[in-house]
Amino acid sequence: EDQVTQSPEALRLQEGESSSLNCSYTVSGLRGLFWYRQDPGKGPEFLFTLYSAGEEKEKERLKATLTKKESFLHITAPKPEDSATYLCAVQRNFGNEKLTFGTGTRLTIIP
Amino acid sequence: DSGVTQTPKHLITATGQRVTLRCSPRSGDLSVYWYQQSLDQGLQFLIQYYNGEERAKGNILERFSAQQFPDLHSELNLSSLELGDSALYFCASSGTGSETQYFGPGTRLLVL
Repeated sequence: EDQVTQSPEALRLQEGESSSLNCSYTVSGLRGLFWYRQDPGKGPEFLFTLYSAGEEKEKERLKATLTKKESFLHITAPKPEDSATYLCAVQRNFGNEKLTFGTGTRLTIIP
Repeated sequence: DSGVTQTPKHLITATGQRVTLRCSPRSGDLSVYWYQQSLDQGLQFLIQYYNGEERAKGNILERFSAQQFPDLHSELNLSSLELGDSALYFCASSGTGSETQYFGPGTRLLVL
């Protein structure tokens, strides 16, 4: 069964203090690893898709990286508007196209 | 705005009742997915439809059912509701050949 574990559960940073969020996964044949941002009471907002180990993608202050066992979401010089829950999900290569999600990291950026 | 719409935004009902949640996918997307998000379980896949046909099932209870209509909108029917069914229900859609799923704003269901 596919599994996704995210750490830490919650993270509080000062504005401008860079850090990384971790997503460890096990899946039978990875089709894609996805990062989403979710604000309270809203739907997940797509950020990145990573397909193979060594791949990196960037968007503003966020950079996602992928290895064979984990993915990191690096946040550089965060601002208060980056506060949200960040969700990681995997999709397997064959069969069911469902996403298997981790429970997320709740990020709070303090001004 | 993802382009996926869901109605209603909020729903309050009583145990034993039946409700219908509605989802309209992004223009051109043939796949629709339903997910349930509760506080203790995170986002859980329920069911997927592709161009009107059921394609995959997840942890969907027998009391729940879904369908996708010719205009590609989808409905999730929840019956004999229990307190534990209170959750956020999300619909997502994806295009043919694309892995990325785009989520709607969700329907918050409260069963009293």
